[in-house]
Amino acid sequence: SQQGEEDPQALSIQEGENATMNCSYKTSINNLQWYRQNSGRGLVHLILIRSNEREKHSGRLRVTLDTSKKSSSLLITASRAADTASYFCATVANAGGTSYGKLTFGQGTILTVHP
Amino acid sequence: DTAVSQTPKYLVTQMGNDKSIKCEQNLGHDTMYWYKQDSKKFLKIMFSYNNKELIINETVPNRFSPKSPDKAHLNLHINSLELGDSAVYFCASSPQASGRAAFFGPGTRLTVL
Repeated sequence: SQQGEEDPQALSIQEGENATMNCSYKTSINNLQWYRQNSGRGLVHLILIRSNEREKHSGRLRVTLDTSKKSSSLLITASRAADTASYFCATVANAGGTSYGKLTFGQGTILTVHP
Repeated sequence: DTAVSQTPKYLVTQMGNDKSIKCEQNLGHDTMYWYKQDSKKFLKIMFSYNNKELIINETVPNRFSPKSPDKAHLNLHINSLELGDSAVYFCASSPQASGRAAFFGPGTRLTVL
């Protein structure tokens, strides 16, 4: 079953603005990951945040995780036209103390950054 | 030096045919996956193999049969193709049993006519 839901489904901004995407999930997790998918391409891993972490940064990306609310957000600062893509959150669930890396994806947010 | 490769990139075929998609990874990962992305961009796991052993089978019709000849390869064979099988199929790999980042192939766009 689908684990995550993302909000908004589509986001259109101007270059230089910040973009915030949200993800909610339903079950307890081991970690949560964000991926980017450019049109017609495969997914590229952006960042991973573990269930015991609250915030993580990577370059212009900032991810937060609130396990009490079962939600995460991805912030892209100072956006560029090249950031135009679909962004997906994916959760890895705890499964009896082991995890084989099964990713359960949200529906994705389509981000368009206008030059 | 592609990390995860898939062939073919595009596959157009008639209903009822049997087709295969091949996947190879050169990352030394132990775990490989097949994901299906539908027309609404929703991604769903189909299968996962760890060291050539099937560990996840997500209620996929038995017309779909994965085969892993070695841990660097995971192929997907589909029998009696149906219109609803049209989608983009992604192969991925990750380090063993770690829940770490997955590396995805470029996808195979399957169109069933």
